[in-house]
Amino acid sequence: SQQGEEDPQALSIQEGENATMNCSYKTSINNLQWYRQNSGRGLVHLILIRSNEREKHSGRLRVTLDTSKKSSSLLITASRAADTASYFCATDGNGNKLVFGAGTILRVKS
Amino acid sequence: DTAVSQTPKYLVTQMGNDKSIKCEQNLGHDTMYWYKQDSKKFLKIMFSYNNKELIINETVPNRFSPKSPDKAHLNLHINSLELGDSAVYFCASSQGATGNTIYFGEGSWLTVV
Repeated sequence: SQQGEEDPQALSIQEGENATMNCSYKTSINNLQWYRQNSGRGLVHLILIRSNEREKHSGRLRVTLDTSKKSSSLLITASRAADTASYFCATDGNGNKLVFGAGTILRVKS
Repeated sequence: DTAVSQTPKYLVTQMGNDKSIKCEQNLGHDTMYWYKQDSKKFLKIMFSYNNKELIINETVPNRFSPKSPDKAHLNLHINSLELGDSAVYFCASSQGATGNTIYFGEGSWLTVV
């Protein structure tokens, strides 16, 4: 069964605004990762957060993890048109597989 | 330098044909994967190899056969192609098999007509 599920499915914002995407999962995890996929391209790793971490930052990205709620959020601050992409969370709670959610499609309008 | 490269990028073929997608990684990773992304962008793992040994084999029709001649290569051969096989196939690699960062290729767009 699908491990991670992102919410919302699609998000449209103006350049300069913040974008928040959420991910929920079902089983215990060791870590959770976020990936970005530009149209027609492969997935690119953004950030990994371990189960014993609550928050992590990387540039304009901020990821939080709440293991009690089995959820994570990805915040992109001061969004740019180049941030337009699909964003996926992935969890390792299903054996030795990294399982991806269905993704959030982010559109940043300039 | 491309870390994970796969060929061809686009493939249009008729039902019933047999086709292969090749993948190579120059990252020195010991684990390679094939993922399938459907039209709704859902990404599902198909196979995983660690040091040339098959470690993940999801419920995939046996028309799909992966081959890993060495740990830098993982090719995917598909027999008797069906319309439902149309998708984007991603090769990927990682160091170690459990939950580590995965590096993806650019994808191979397969269209079966």
